[in-house]
Amino acid sequence: DQQVKQNSPSLSVQEGRISILNCDYTNSMFDYFLWYKKYPAEGPTFLISISSIKDKNEDGRFTVFLNKSAKHLSLHIVPSQPGDSAVYFCAAGGSNYKLTFGKGTLLTVNP
Amino acid sequence: DSGVTQTPKHLITATGQRVTLRCSPRSGDLSVYWYQQSLDQGLQFLIQYYNGEERAKGNILERFSAQQFPDLHSELNLSSLELGDSALYFCASRGDGPAFFGQGTRLTVV
Repeated sequence: DQQVKQNSPSLSVQEGRISILNCDYTNSMFDYFLWYKKYPAEGPTFLISISSIKDKNEDGRFTVFLNKSAKHLSLHIVPSQPGDSAVYFCAAGGSNYKLTFGKGTLLTVNP
Repeated sequence: DSGVTQTPKHLITATGQRVTLRCSPRSGDLSVYWYQQSLDQGLQFLIQYYNGEERAKGNILERFSAQQFPDLHSELNLSSLELGDSALYFCASRGDGPAFFGQGTRLTVV
C-alpha cells in the first residue's frame, strides 16, 4: 500500500525555467509534509516542509503548495539551476512522527 | 553536515554473517529512524525509536533488529545476511521539525 506517490519517475527542464514536482498521498491523517533532495550515494537533504494548516510555504527559489482536498502537494523551483539536478523525495508524516516517502522523481536541469 | 553520523560508511560481508550499523543522532533529537534504499528503489521505512522506545515499525525483516540506547544513539543489527540485503541503509533523527539524514552505510553482501 503506497500511501505517498510520486507518479513521475523523471522530469527534465531547461535552466532558468520552472520545475514542478508533484506528490499525492492517500492517508488523511498525514499533517506534515516535506521535500528532500538526494544526490547519488549521499543521504537525503531536507529542503522545505509544510504543515496541514497552511497551503503554501516559500523558501528562496523553493515553494511547496498543499491542496488538502485533493491530497496533493507540489514543489516549485524557480528558476531552475543545473545544480538542482537530483532525485527529489516527497515525504508525509502524522502525529506518530513516522515519515513515509514516495519513490522519488529524478530532476534533470539542462544548461 | 546534517549532524547525524553513521558508521561505518561502507561494509562488505559474506552471506550468512551478522553486521551492526551505528547511528548518532543530532544533539537533542529524541527520534531515530532507519530506512533502507535498494537499487532503483525509494526509501523503505524500517523502524523508528523515540527516546529509547520503539515507536513505529515498517517492513523490517525478522532477521533485522534495532535498539536505541540511553545516550540516544541507535544500532541496526542485520543477521543471516542474504545477497538481497545489499543496500544503502540510512538513519535519520528528528526533534520537532524535519528529519535529518546521515550519509548512510552501504552494505554489500557477497
